[in-house]
Amino acid sequence: AQSVTQLDSQVPVFEEAPVELRCNYSSSVSVYLFWYVQYPNQGLQLLLKYLSGSTLVKGINGFEAEFNKSQTSFHLRKPSVHISDTAEYFCAVSDTTNAGKSTFGDGTTLTVKP
Amino acid sequence: GAGVSQSPRYKVAKRGQDVALRCDPISGHVSLFWYQQALGQGPEFLTYFQNEAQLDKSGLPSDRFFAERPEGSVSTLKIQRTQKEDSAVYLCASSSPGQGAKNIQYFGAGTRLSVL
Repeated sequence: AQSVTQLDSQVPVFEEAPVELRCNYSSSVSVYLFWYVQYPNQGLQLLLKYLSGSTLVKGINGFEAEFNKSQTSFHLRKPSVHISDTAEYFCAVSDTTNAGKSTFGDGTTLTVKP
Repeated sequence: GAGVSQSPRYKVAKRGQDVALRCDPISGHVSLFWYQQALGQGPEFLTYFQNEAQLDKSGLPSDRFFAERPEGSVSTLKIQRTQKEDSAVYLCASSSPGQGAKNIQYFGAGTRLSVL
């Protein structure tokens, strides 16, 4: 079984400031790691994923995340945020041996202020 | 359409009513997932289909919940005798064949169920 903890439920930042959304996971097996974004009244959209290889993963909209196996973390970062980045962000893991059933964190609300 | 389509977008039910939620996956996608997202929480896995076969239903919270995908395309999630605690957004996702858990899951906009 896996679990995901998103350490901050809400993150307010000013426009053009850097941001980090933190995610820690727990698993007894190898996992794939994902970050999704959810805008109001919409489904989840994949931002980026870590499957293997380089621990620094780049995604859409200027986001990147770093997989740290020893700390079981997968924090999401963006060097300069925009108002349009205001949304809910979810970290997720899935067991590498199954077909993609994912376990999600409870989400982090990113609010970008002008 | 190009994406995953769910209907209805909103459903209000009286406690004890049965409801049916529909998911149209992306054409050709073999895998289909249902998740339940309670207010303020992340999605929680309900069930998974590969074509018409329901391979995992470990997340269904009770025997009032039933899902089917008879022709390996459209799926329906049925909730019988709805209870207030069933109020949530129900998300459907589909993914393409091969690569197992590496697949990107494409999510629909969800159905928001409110049980009064």
